[in-house]
Amino acid sequence: KNQVEQSPQSLIILEGKNCTLQCNYTVSPFSNLRWYKQDTGRGPVSLTIMTFSENTKSNGRYTATLDADTKQSSLHITASQLSDSASYICVVSMIGEYGNKLVFGAGTILRVKS
Amino acid sequence: NAGVTQTPKFQVLKTGQSMTLQCAQDMNHNSMYWYRQDPGMGLRLIYYSASEGTTDKGEVPNGYNVSRLNKREFSLRLESAAPSQTSVYFCASSEVGTGLKNIQYFGAGTRLSVL
Repeated sequence: KNQVEQSPQSLIILEGKNCTLQCNYTVSPFSNLRWYKQDTGRGPVSLTIMTFSENTKSNGRYTATLDADTKQSSLHITASQLSDSASYICVVSMIGEYGNKLVFGAGTILRVKS
Repeated sequence: NAGVTQTPKFQVLKTGQSMTLQCAQDMNHNSMYWYRQDPGMGLRLIYYSASEGTTDKGEVPNGYNVSRLNKREFSLRLESAAPSQTSVYFCASSEVGTGLKNIQYFGAGTRLSVL
């Protein structure tokens, strides 16, 4: 079954600290992996997209890694800020018979406190 | 440039009532999507429209209908609402499909409660 599992479900960290969110997937055939940030009451916003051949991609203080062999990805947030409080969603794009299909993880809820 | 705009933002319905959720994008995208988001679950695709004039079922289409009115607008209709349709609904658009590097842009969502 094509699934995307994220851990932890939720996380609380102090402002200024780093954190790493995990994503494991069983999606096949794989096309690309995306991380989205979803603020409370808003729609998801794309942070990074990585293909099979890319094992790291940065967007400011966000760095995503991908290990396509073990089917794992992580999102590392450096020097966290209060505005980083959000849900982070891992999404895997799989190659389907009629085009690509996105499989969404349930998200990790991050709370950054002062 | 508003991106993807959804209306209404909130709605409460009684079981059996009907309603239409509206979505419009101003990015000249070809593909549009409707998702639902339920607590503890990933977003699930209800319907999508790969291009103007076409619509296809997604993962959870039962109880819904869609209309791709023109390139900009994609509406989702609940003909006879049920409590199981209580959810947050997101509309999204992308340039062409969800293939390599095609980013989806999401609206702010519609929170629907069916009593």
